[in-house]
Amino acid sequence: KAGVTQTPRYLIKTRGQQVTLSCSPISGHRSVSWYQQTPGQGLQFLFEYFSETQRNKGNFPGRFSGRQFSNSRSEMNVSTLELGDSALYLCASSLPPWTDTDTQYFGPGTRLTVL
Amino acid sequence: AQSVTQPDIHITVSEGASLELRCNYSYGATPYLFWYVQSPGQGLQLLLKYFSGDTLVQGIKGFEAEFKRSQSSFNLRKPSVHWSDAAEYFCAVAFKAAGNKLTFGGGTRVLVKP
Repeated sequence: KAGVTQTPRYLIKTRGQQVTLSCSPISGHRSVSWYQQTPGQGLQFLFEYFSETQRNKGNFPGRFSGRQFSNSRSEMNVSTLELGDSALYLCASSLPPWTDTDTQYFGPGTRLTVL
Repeated sequence: AQSVTQPDIHITVSEGASLELRCNYSYGATPYLFWYVQSPGQGLQLLLKYFSGDTLVQGIKGFEAEFKRSQSSFNLRKPSVHWSDAAEYFCAVAFKAAGNKLTFGGGTRVLVKP
């Protein structure tokens, strides 16, 4: 079974631009979560989607948004990019409802550099 | 405040020696507990998890972890490290009521000396 895939793997943008990152979950997984990883702040939860609905949201400004499609694929968007948005963005998928036997599986990430 | 702490930022260990990585959490209830490993330029790979039951959990790659409720700890161990174990290790917690949100510790980078 294929793992979580994220595209693109690398991205370079300039301040003020916007960016869209894509995540395809493991087949059959319906929940997708996004995380930001930076050297200074570590790994931080952005949001989680299930059945095209945002189920949970981390403490990030409104410039960060996401959505999920009917095939469970998810996209996240960052508008008006700032230098501090440079990070590795990780996507994880799982089988909700979240049970004691399940867990999240991570993709390889998208490395975003903002110049 | 709720938090996950990994006290050691870096650990250097000789190949063949044992390894122990510490993780402490500060929460009112017992969370679900995880250890993930990240190699350079890669995503996170799950090593093991604790939900309930036996407090000694076996994982992949020869790792194990022990949950100690009295110490709010979930330390990761490996009896004999291999050069391929050089990576960054993250402890994480989650609560069923909070959905799939994982809260991570700051990570411990492990260097393996030949």
